[in-house]
Amino acid sequence: DVKVTQSSRYLVKRTGEKVFLECVQDMDHENMFWYRQDPGLGLRLIYFSYDVKMKEKGDIPEGYSVSREKKERFSLILESASTNQTSMYLCASSRVQGIEQYFGPGTRLTVT
Amino acid sequence: QKEVEQNSGPLSVPEGAIASLNCTYSDRGSQSFFWYRQYSGKSPELIMFIYSNGDKEDGRFTAQLNKASQYVSLLIRDSQPSDSATYLCAVNDDTGRRALTFGSGTRLQVQP
Repeated sequence: DVKVTQSSRYLVKRTGEKVFLECVQDMDHENMFWYRQDPGLGLRLIYFSYDVKMKEKGDIPEGYSVSREKKERFSLILESASTNQTSMYLCASSRVQGIEQYFGPGTRLTVT
Repeated sequence: QKEVEQNSGPLSVPEGAIASLNCTYSDRGSQSFFWYRQYSGKSPELIMFIYSNGDKEDGRFTAQLNKASQYVSLLIRDSQPSDSATYLCAVNDDTGRRALTFGSGTRLQVQP
């Protein structure tokens, strides 16, 4: 069974804080993804990574950065949190030749 | 901008009926198509994928793909109240980045 875990289910931060969201997968998947999900907008891709120390921008990278120092771990960083980053954040992973993605439980982030 | 369109619903069907969920996509180069189920407050769960034109059946679920019409659908036979969820259509990105573009989902309600 693929297992993707995220560091927090719920998080409340203040405007301007630096926020770290962590994702760990235990299936040796090469590909990892960060999405945010907002009502009426669906899932939008923020960043993704094919390999350690490798990252690529998704569709909405502004205000975010990522880090992948180990294959199993992919971190999303909000450099200076803003209220418009209040959202559900979902991490996903897939194997190197696979397309189907497996999701973690999500982190609901509220920025006040 | 690649788009995946779904009717937001809610689609309401009686228990035991067939639920039909539809999705259209804009990128003719898309090759792989996925259906995810998302219960309220939970993360998306992969239920079906289809790569070739035609039908693909898995238990009570049938995915249908028509690439000429850029249309993919999901049929759920003998709908159960436990099928009540939001169903997300996702399409692969054919640029090689192995990311998925998601629709905003259709909410299905199965009435007992």
